[in-house]
Amino acid sequence: GNSVTQMEGPVTLSEEAFLTINCTYTATGYPSLFWYVQYPGEGLQLLLKATKADDKGSNKGFEATYRKETTSFHLEKGSVQVSDSAVYFCALSDRAAGNKLTFGGGTRVLVKP
Amino acid sequence: NAGVTQTPKFRILKIGQSMTLQCAQDMNHNYMYWYRQDPGMGLKLIYYSVGAGITDKGEVPNGYNVSRSTTEDFPLRLELAAPSQTSVYFCASSSTGETQYFGPGTRLLVL
Repeated sequence: GNSVTQMEGPVTLSEEAFLTINCTYTATGYPSLFWYVQYPGEGLQLLLKATKADDKGSNKGFEATYRKETTSFHLEKGSVQVSDSAVYFCALSDRAAGNKLTFGGGTRVLVKP
Repeated sequence: NAGVTQTPKFRILKIGQSMTLQCAQDMNHNYMYWYRQDPGMGLKLIYYSVGAGITDKGEVPNGYNVSRSTTEDFPLRLELAAPSQTSVYFCASSSTGETQYFGPGTRLLVL
């Protein structure tokens, strides 16, 4: 079956530091890949996505590249802000599995001033 | 623009009680989903629907029921609440079945 593995948190950073959150996946088909963000007390919001190999998703300074050869979709941001403190979820959607989302366990990020 | 709305925001249930979690979307999306999120964990799919009158089980359906009589509404019914159902419940909708839009969640405590 499909699965998503992402690095455990919490990740604690200072403002303006570089952020990387690793995500790898296992899928039987050709999935689309997503990063969702959950701010404290809120629901999940789509941060970025990529639908095929070598695609790069980007939004709000975050980027992730769909790497089929390493089955990875690592999230990066060059200079984090306190407002980036949240839980980040990697997920995949597999058309062969009815487009249901499979989520990783989430990575909590805390950015300190 | 309301998007996906959920009620209530928070509820305490006693063991054995029943309740319905409400979910509505105003985006005319065919796909709707119910997830639960346990502390420190990712989301697990409970039930989903690809259109009015069509529902199917997800990964963790036991103890829950759903119905989809309209495109807009997708209520989740808990029968005979158990402590294991203490969780945060999220409803989501999608037009294509890929990108999903989430509601703010319902926090449920079963004592």
